[in-house]
This record gives sequence, structure tokens and C-alpha cells, in this order.
Amino acid sequence: TQLLEQSPQFLSIQEGENLTVYCNSSSVFSSLQWYRQEPGEGPVLLVTVVTGGEVKKLKRLTFQFGDARKDSSLHITAAQPGDTGLYLCAGAGSGGSNYKLTFGKGTLLTVNP
Amino acid sequence: NAGVMQNPRHLVRRRGQEARLRCSPMKGHSHVYWYRQLPEEGLKFMVYLQKENIIDESGMPKERFSAEFPKEGPSILRIQQVVRGDSAAYFCASKVGPGTGELFFGEGSRLTVL
Repeated sequence: TQLLEQSPQFLSIQEGENLTVYCNSSSVFSSLQWYRQEPGEGPVLLVTVVTGGEVKKLKRLTFQFGDARKDSSLHITAAQPGDTGLYLCAGAGSGGSNYKLTFGKGTLLTVNP
Repeated sequence: NAGVMQNPRHLVRRRGQEARLRCSPMKGHSHVYWYRQLPEEGLKFMVYLQKENIIDESGMPKERFSAEFPKEGPSILRIQQVVRGDSAAYFCASKVGPGTGELFFGEGSRLTVL
């Protein structure tokens, strides 16, 4: 069974601060996705990373996939209250099970004005 | 261009009753997933379906739970004889085809078992 550990579980910061959340596993994933979920809604895809060492930027968000494709990080620069939400990482299996996404438990981020 | 539509959004059942959750995928999507989410436990894979086929139901309890995605109409997740432990948010997601394409999630159905 592939497991994804996310840390920290909870993070409360002030507007303008930077932060990094982590997603770690002992398993190799064919790709890894980051989602953001707001209360009462479904997760929304932010990015997909596929290649080991890959870095993708989405405005103030920077995503990195580890060289061994076992871990990933999300860095937010100058956080804003609108960034508040549950951030989930999800790994896709290899080979014939690449359709199945395994989710971490998430990092609940609160950005205070 | 409607997204993934789930209904009901909220459902209350008493122990022993049946719960039926419906999911209409995005237009043009023929692959549907069901996930269950409990507080502080994350999203757990339940079942993956293609029209008229169950591809992978390894995450779904063998008893009381069933899922279908007929040729016409929405996908249905059915829970018979519900128990309190079934209380959770159930999310449906759809994608265009097989492989690792982007998943689009619905807003979820929140089941409360009294």
C-alpha cells in the first residue's frame, strides 16, 4: 500500500509570510498532483509534476518533485488570506495502476490578515 | 459547461436505511471515481468505473456498498443498511479517459447517519 505523509498537518501564519508544506513517501510515484480544497467543496487541481527534480511555478506557488519521485514540496511566497484552504498531495501509481490516486491527509493552511 | 454534479449535497439517514448518492460526470467524461473523506483522514479511494464497467473496486467494502455507472444516466454509489461509521463526505471525480488525466471533483455528498 502506497502512503503519503503530509506535514505539517496544520499551519497558521500571518499575511505576507512564506511557507513550505511537504509530501513524503517511501514509494515511487509515476506522477504527483497537488490539490486545494475549500470547506464544503471538492478538491481542485493546482499542478501535476511528472519528472524527478521537476519544478513548476504557479504565480506565488512553487512545486517541486523530488529526484527519486518519492516526495514533493509546495512553497508559497507572501501568503494571502485567499490562500487559506486544505492542500492535498496525491500520487499516481506506476504501470497498470497509474489511474489510482493515493491522497495524503492534507495540510490545513490558515492565513490571517 | 457544467462541472461534476453530485446530489444530494446532504443526506441524513437512520441506521439500517439505504443511501443512494448520484454523480453526473463532466460532459465527455467516461471515467468516474468515488472517494470517501473523513475529517483528518484524507480522501480514500473507493471505486473506479468506466461506463458499464467496474475497473477497480478494491477500496470499497465488499458488504453493503455497491457502485454502478450505466450506459445512460449518472453513476450511483449505494450503501445499504447504513451504520454510523458510514457518515462521511463522498466525492465523485471524473476524467476524460484512462491513465493519469486530470481529475475533476464534484462538491461532494455529505452523509450523516443518525
